[in-house]
Amino acid sequence: SAVISQKPSRDICQRGTSLTIQCQVDSQVTMMFWYRQQPGQSLTLIATANQGSEATYESGFVIDKFPISRPNLTFSTLTVSNMSPEDSSIYLCSVESGGANTGELFFGEGSRLTVL
Amino acid sequence: GENVEQHPSTLSVQEGDSAVIKCTYSDSASNYFPWYKQELGKRPQLIIDIRSNVGEKKDQRIAVTLNKTAKHFSLHITETQPEDSAVYFCAALDYKLSFGAGTTVTVRA
Repeated sequence: SAVISQKPSRDICQRGTSLTIQCQVDSQVTMMFWYRQQPGQSLTLIATANQGSEATYESGFVIDKFPISRPNLTFSTLTVSNMSPEDSSIYLCSVESGGANTGELFFGEGSRLTVL
Repeated sequence: GENVEQHPSTLSVQEGDSAVIKCTYSDSASNYFPWYKQELGKRPQLIIDIRSNVGEKKDQRIAVTLNKTAKHFSLHITETQPEDSAVYFCAALDYKLSFGAGTTVTVRA
């Protein structure tokens, strides 16, 4: 399996501020996926990040709120902008460990954000 | 898009008994069905998966069955142990992986 490092692992943020989460993978991958897991809930795909192109966002998620960067094949960032308490969640970076388009997702440890 | 429903939401079993979790999906084009286990405070981890050209797959005490006609698939855990206590998520892949709501499994010693 890939080794995924996510930073920060957790943070407490003030309403109205923005926070950038970093995801580093130990191997080159075509796609990186950002998921949100609200407290006690399932996993929801925010967007898919491809190197060299704009991220593809899922319904209900917009670039202004969740800007994503993908500068190379091993790194991506997700920013949660203008945070409100409703953004308190675990944000998970993931990659396809079994190869492109296999669907076999391997997740990072997650970034637990609490917005006050 | 794909809609995955998962039942039950909670499941309590006696140690040594079996546990079964069922999921249904809506998109007949979905062709990959993984199961993830998430322990408290940890990341989801893939425990078993099945592709649409297979009806059943087994790995030690866990097995997954798939009925493409009925569009449902199930996770079976036999001889449950306390370390099986976790939240289990099913998922289905069409163009993206869509997850069920999760099942909290508690194994009573």
